[in-house]
Amino acid sequence: GAVVSQHPSWVICKSGTSVKIECRSLDFQATTMFWYRQFPKQSLMLMATSNEGSKATYEQGVEKDKFLINHASLTLSTLTVTSAHPEDSSFYICSAFPSRGSHEQYFGPGTRLTVT
Amino acid sequence: EDQVTQSPEALRLQEGESSSLNCSYTVSGLRGLFWYRQDPGKGPEFLFTLYSAGEEKEKERLKATLTKKESFLHITAPKPEDSATYLCAANSNSGYALNFGKGTSLLVTP
Repeated sequence: GAVVSQHPSWVICKSGTSVKIECRSLDFQATTMFWYRQFPKQSLMLMATSNEGSKATYEQGVEKDKFLINHASLTLSTLTVTSAHPEDSSFYICSAFPSRGSHEQYFGPGTRLTVT
Repeated sequence: EDQVTQSPEALRLQEGESSSLNCSYTVSGLRGLFWYRQDPGKGPEFLFTLYSAGEEKEKERLKATLTKKESFLHITAPKPEDSATYLCAANSNSGYALNFGKGTSLLVTP
């Protein structure tokens, strides 16, 4: 079945530093991937849509200069949180479609980011 | 504005006690209605997609149904391992991103 992986599964960084999170589709190619953020006891909120070979599309209120997205290949998208602050601490989850004909998104296991 | 609302927020059932979770949606041009299961600290696990009113899908003890305004996730004779948060999400014709509800946290006790 469609498998999406993320790395790292958790990361702790100091305030002001940057951290990169990888999202990979393991058994399919994905021209589009999505990045979501989930705060404790909250649901998933879409941050941005990552498109292979082109610029990402960000949701309203999400700073594109702070959350850098690169979709360098059909199986890899990266999210870099730049100059991280404690309020960026959250659970970041990516998703992808296994095929164009299907609207089913499959999610990665998530990355827990803690900024101290 | 597209909106997805789930109820109840939390539900506690005894093992074997069947119930239903509700997902009300307001979406212009529904492309699909999705149900996911999420365990603590994990990403959502895909359960079902429903595309049109009247459609039903089943998987083990779960059955999802769809009307023009809401979807139900019926849980028949639940077991403790069914304990999780169940998320409903809608996708509109404006794009492929999912609009999630806040979820229903289900606890099934032995």
